[in-house]
Amino acid sequence: QKEVEQDPGPLSVPEGAIVSLNCTYSNSAFQYFMWYRQYSRKGPELLMYTYSSGNKEDGRFTAQVDKSSKYISLFIRDSQPSDSATYLCAMSGDQTGANNLFFGTGTRLTVIP
Amino acid sequence: KAGVTQTPRYLIKTRGQQVTLSCSPISGHRSVSWYQQTPGQGLQFLFEYFSETQRNKGNFPGRFSGRQFSNSRSEMNVSTLELGDSALYLCASSGAGATDTQYFGPGTRLTVL
Repeated sequence: QKEVEQDPGPLSVPEGAIVSLNCTYSNSAFQYFMWYRQYSRKGPELLMYTYSSGNKEDGRFTAQVDKSSKYISLFIRDSQPSDSATYLCAMSGDQTGANNLFFGTGTRLTVIP
Repeated sequence: KAGVTQTPRYLIKTRGQQVTLSCSPISGHRSVSWYQQTPGQGLQFLFEYFSETQRNKGNFPGRFSGRQFSNSRSEMNVSTLELGDSALYLCASSGAGATDTQYFGPGTRLTVL
């Protein structure tokens, strides 16, 4: 079993839809949770960063962390064609070293105009 | 501020050869991490260097090695290449703190024939 599980999709939604992306994990030591966006032929870029449980909002993006369920989510409101990319969840913890990130395999999202 | 740069962007090698990839971090960043990205396994952590010392290491064979120079630039070397080493190799840099955000470069696409 991988430490981080993520539905690979692909996910196709119409423009303006609300998108929900999720990851589950097994290592209770994880404390730092991130969402990265990766466009084709580019490196991942950080979208959201959360420490421990809770919600964080940044514009159209909301990240949620539920440590009791070992479940994290990213919501995208009013999705745009420019949001079409692969979304990767990532996490790390004190025991593994904060700069050793464990990634999900990524969910490929397409927003249709 | 210039981002993380990686050279070369594309590389084709044959089995048994060795390869060296280079990464220049964001100015002022002292931590450099390397990841391998494949369609099946996603992003997997190789190792992290901080102030010329390997600080963390993932679960890869000894054929994968790295080093960091005094100017924080880093190189990764893969010896005795195997077909399964074909992947996108990503470098990420971050500041000195353990919780500092990682910024990724565009990657080096390695194809082993």
